[in-house]
Amino acid sequence: AQSVTQLDSHVSVSEGTPVLLRCNYSSSYSPSLFWYVQHPNKGLQLLLKYTSAATLVKGINGFEAEFKKSETSFHLTKPSAHMSDAAEYFCVVSESNTDKLIFGTGTRLQVFP
Amino acid sequence: ETGVTQTPRHLVMGMTNKKSLKCEQHLGHNAMYWYKQSAKKPLELMFVYNFKEQTENNSVPSRFSPECPNSSHLFLHLHTLQPEDSALYLCASSRPGVSPHNEQFFGPGTRLTVL
Repeated sequence: AQSVTQLDSHVSVSEGTPVLLRCNYSSSYSPSLFWYVQHPNKGLQLLLKYTSAATLVKGINGFEAEFKKSETSFHLTKPSAHMSDAAEYFCVVSESNTDKLIFGTGTRLQVFP
Repeated sequence: ETGVTQTPRHLVMGMTNKKSLKCEQHLGHNAMYWYKQSAKKPLELMFVYNFKEQTENNSVPSRFSPECPNSSHLFLHLHTLQPEDSALYLCASSRPGVSPHNEQFFGPGTRLTVL
């Protein structure tokens, strides 16, 4: 069965410093992996997705994630945090050939001036 | 905007009320989903519709009744809810058949409070 574990429920960074949000997955099949962001009182927006092409995936707003099969990880990074990055981030896994998404519990990112 | 709209955005109802949540997508997708998002819990998939047919019911209580009259519209009918049903209800849509790319597009959600 597929699952994702987001290792940190809260991450706090200063504006202009790097962001690292950690995610480990478990999948019996070749997974598709996603990161979604949810700003307060908004729905979820896709940041980026991995679908067995390049292992380093670039997304919107300067975010990127690297798929590491040996570590079963898909950590989300950004070189320099912006105040507008403060939000909840969800790591998501999908089994091949299904339309079901399995969500992690989320990581709340706080950005301080 | 993602192309998925939900109404109402906020809803307060008593346990004996009957209300409906509406979702509409303008993306030409054929799969639609209802999710429940409660505080401190992972997003829970409730229902999946593919080409207007329900393909997933994730052990949801019968007080939640979905309806999908066409591929663009999805409803969630609510009756005799409990306070623990208070949550953010999210609708999503996707284009099945293009796996493994099955990206889902989410609406802004309906914040439901059951008194």
